[in-house]
Amino acid sequence: DTGVSQDPRHKITKRGQNVTFRCDPISEHNRLYWYRQTLGQGPEFLTYFQNEAQLEKSRLLSDRFSAERPKGSFSTLEIQRTEQGDSAMYLCASSLGWELFFGEGSRLTVL
Amino acid sequence: GENVEQHPSTLSVQEGDSAVIKCTYSDSASNYFPWYKQELGKGPQLIIDIRSNVGEKKDQRIAVTLNKTAKHFSLHITETQPEDSAVYFCAAAAGGTSYGKLTFGQGTILTVHP
Repeated sequence: DTGVSQDPRHKITKRGQNVTFRCDPISEHNRLYWYRQTLGQGPEFLTYFQNEAQLEKSRLLSDRFSAERPKGSFSTLEIQRTEQGDSAMYLCASSLGWELFFGEGSRLTVL
Repeated sequence: GENVEQHPSTLSVQEGDSAVIKCTYSDSASNYFPWYKQELGKGPQLIIDIRSNVGEKKDQRIAVTLNKTAKHFSLHITETQPEDSAVYFCAAAAGGTSYGKLTFGQGTILTVHP
């Protein structure tokens, strides 16, 4: 069990640039989730996939955010035209049942 | 939507003491209540969870209690050790197709002094 893997672990970008994060879930898990965590707060739900289908998106996910999970395996989260308010830790999790297994996160800093 | 309140925000105890963290939730449809431990620079790790059909669950030094009528649940850590120092989050989720859509509390920074 290699766990949930996220890449990159850290990303520093300038305002207005696009960034993309990748998540590789635990191989047999059919559900994949994206959460966002800002400093001193609990994670906030963004979106989730069951296999390749994106089943729900939070209102936090503006139209600058897009997530995909082609072929029901890895997932990408893209943020277009980044803003300073996008600075946060982006967490990916996967599950087969109730228990969510989180990755180490991708920390985004927008200058 | 669901709202989860967690208290206290910081908790400092001596090694060997017990620690208790409390959470309340607002959505009566919630029926899954996990607790996560997050160490610096790492993702949250599940330490224990409880579903609405039971009132208490224990795993070694960790226990969780649930009061569905009052909409609150608590984490109890006994015989605390310095390695228990971390941020702890409670969360709640409804069942059905939303069972992975967790609403988290604000977190409790637990410090265990040797």
